[in-house]
Order: sequence, then C-alpha cells, then structure tokens
Amino acid sequence: AQRVTQPEKLLSVFKGAPVELKCNYSYSGSPELFWYVQYSRQRLQLLLRHISRESIKGFTADLNKGETSFHLKKPFAQEEDSAMYYCALRDPLMIKAAGNKLTFGGGTRVLVKP
Amino acid sequence: NAGVTQTPKFQVLKTGQSMTLQCAQDMNHNSMYWYRQDPGMGLRLIYYSASEGTTDKGEVPNGYNVSRLNKREFSLRLESAAPSQTSVYFCASILAAGDGTDTQYFGPGTRLTVL
Repeated sequence: AQRVTQPEKLLSVFKGAPVELKCNYSYSGSPELFWYVQYSRQRLQLLLRHISRESIKGFTADLNKGETSFHLKKPFAQEEDSAMYYCALRDPLMIKAAGNKLTFGGGTRVLVKP
Repeated sequence: NAGVTQTPKFQVLKTGQSMTLQCAQDMNHNSMYWYRQDPGMGLRLIYYSASEGTTDKGEVPNGYNVSRLNKREFSLRLESAAPSQTSVYFCASILAAGDGTDTQYFGPGTRLTVL
C-alpha cells in the first residue's frame, strides 16, 4: 500500500533562513506527488506538483526516485510562510479506477519567527 | 464561483446523536471526497464519489455514510456520533478529466466536536 511520511511535525525557523520540509513515500512505480498548504483559518490549497517542475512562492520540490523523497525547500523563509504543509501522493495508474484519490502525509507545521 | 462550500462550519454533538455534513461544488466537477483531519495523522479519506451515482469507501469509513445527491452535492452522515469522530472534516472535488492534469479543490472545513 502506498504511504507518505513527513517526519517533522514542527519546523521553527527564523525569517530569512532556509527551510526544508521532508517527505518520503513508499510506492512501487512512478507516483504523482504534491505539496498542499493550509494557512491559518484558510482551506487547503495546492502549492505545487512535481510534474510542473515550477517554483511557487519561492518553494521548489524535487522528486528523488532513488531516495523515494519529495522534499520541499525555500532558501529564504518569510513570516507569511507560516502554515501547515502536507505532502500527498496519487497513483497515476489508478486515476480512472480509483477516482483520483490522494494519500496524505501527517503534515508539518512551519513557524517562521521574525 | 463559490468553489467548494461546506455547512455547517462548527458543530457540537452529544454521543449518539446524528447529523449530516453538507458539501456542494459549483465547478461541474465529477469526483468528490470526504476527509477527516486529525493532528499528526494528516488527512484521511473517509468516502469518495468518483462520479455521480457512485460512492466508495476510503481509508476510514466506519461510522459514516455518504450520499451523492447529484453532481453538485455530496453529504456525509454520522448516524450515531462517537467522541472518536471529533475532527475537522474537509470536502474536496476534482474535475477528473482522466488525463491526470487536474487537482483537488478543498472546502473550508467543518469542525465537529462530539462530547
């Protein structure tokens, strides 16, 4: 069964410092991976997905199939980055059969201090 | 475009009471989902509806039922609430075009407390 692990429940960094949120997955194949963010009192929203290979709000994430990881990085954290971050996986082979289901990690709360 | 809406925003129940959480989307999406969010456990899928007229169990379906009333609406029912069902519930939807390019959109959540 597929699984997503986010080992850090809380990351606290100072403004301007780099931040890296770890995400490891177990899946036999080539998964689709996503990072979702939930700001305080707001709904969950997509931050980025690995197939886009883009940088959103200064964040990037690289899929490392050898290490089965999809870590999220930002070189200079800002206070507005304080939020809950979730890594999620979708099985591309089951998009039609399984209704686009996502498997989420446990989440990492990021706190950026001034 | 309201996106995905959920009612109510907050609810307190006593053990054994029943209630229905409502979800609606106005994006003409085909698939809809119910998740629960618990600290340290992320979001876990309760039930989903891949298309109008179909529903399937997710990871944690026990104690819940769902109804895909029409393409827009997907409700979640707790028949006999238990304290273990205290959680934040999120509804989500996706177009599900079949090519994998789309993503899930989430509602604002319902915070449920069962005493």
